[in-house]
Amino acid sequence: GQQLNQSPQSMFIQEGEDVSMNCTSSSIFNTWLWYKQDPGEGPVLLIALYKAGELTSNGRLTAQFGITRKDSFLNISASIPSDVGIYFCAGPTGTASKLTFGTGTRLQVTL
Amino acid sequence: ETGVTQTPRHLVMGMTNKKSLKCEQHLGHNAMYWYKQSAKKPLELMFVYSLEERVENNSVPSRFSPECPNSSHLFLHLHTLQPEDSALYLCASSQVMGGANGYTFGSGTRLTVV
Repeated sequence: GQQLNQSPQSMFIQEGEDVSMNCTSSSIFNTWLWYKQDPGEGPVLLIALYKAGELTSNGRLTAQFGITRKDSFLNISASIPSDVGIYFCAGPTGTASKLTFGTGTRLQVTL
Repeated sequence: ETGVTQTPRHLVMGMTNKKSLKCEQHLGHNAMYWYKQSAKKPLELMFVYSLEERVENNSVPSRFSPECPNSSHLFLHLHTLQPEDSALYLCASSQVMGGANGYTFGSGTRLTVV
């Protein structure tokens, strides 16, 4: 089946630093979604991208839909402690009956 | 109450027990999903329901039995589980099947099989 690979797997950064992570696929996607999962909770949708090249922001978060349609990027500016969590990319796959999720990037923020 | 609610939040069960996980969505969505999240693994889709009909069963062992009595409720019945079934079980819903507009997830049930 289709796989979404995220990198890095984990990051340890200091508060105030900017963060970049990406998601790649061997297949083309028509939609890219970015989720964040806080410890002990379910994932929450952060940003949705529907068009190649699209750049969308949500507060300090900015995501881009890669022009090849096989990748997407998420940037977090001026990180704060509550940014801690796991960030997942996702996209509709197969018969479009489901979302496939990436392997996740675990973010830790130190003071 | 709004969003997707899962109960219980935590469950410890023996391998011979029978238990059920419950999910309820108050969003008027037409599709509901069960995912399994194990440590250091991607989210694994288990079941997909659209308008109360099961449309996908992702090769899940028969010891997991889903039930969708109406578009707002989804259950996962568990029996004779194995320790490797210990995981976070997440329920999600979406306006239409496929979730191109994204899923709304519940907080999950943390299951431990002893």
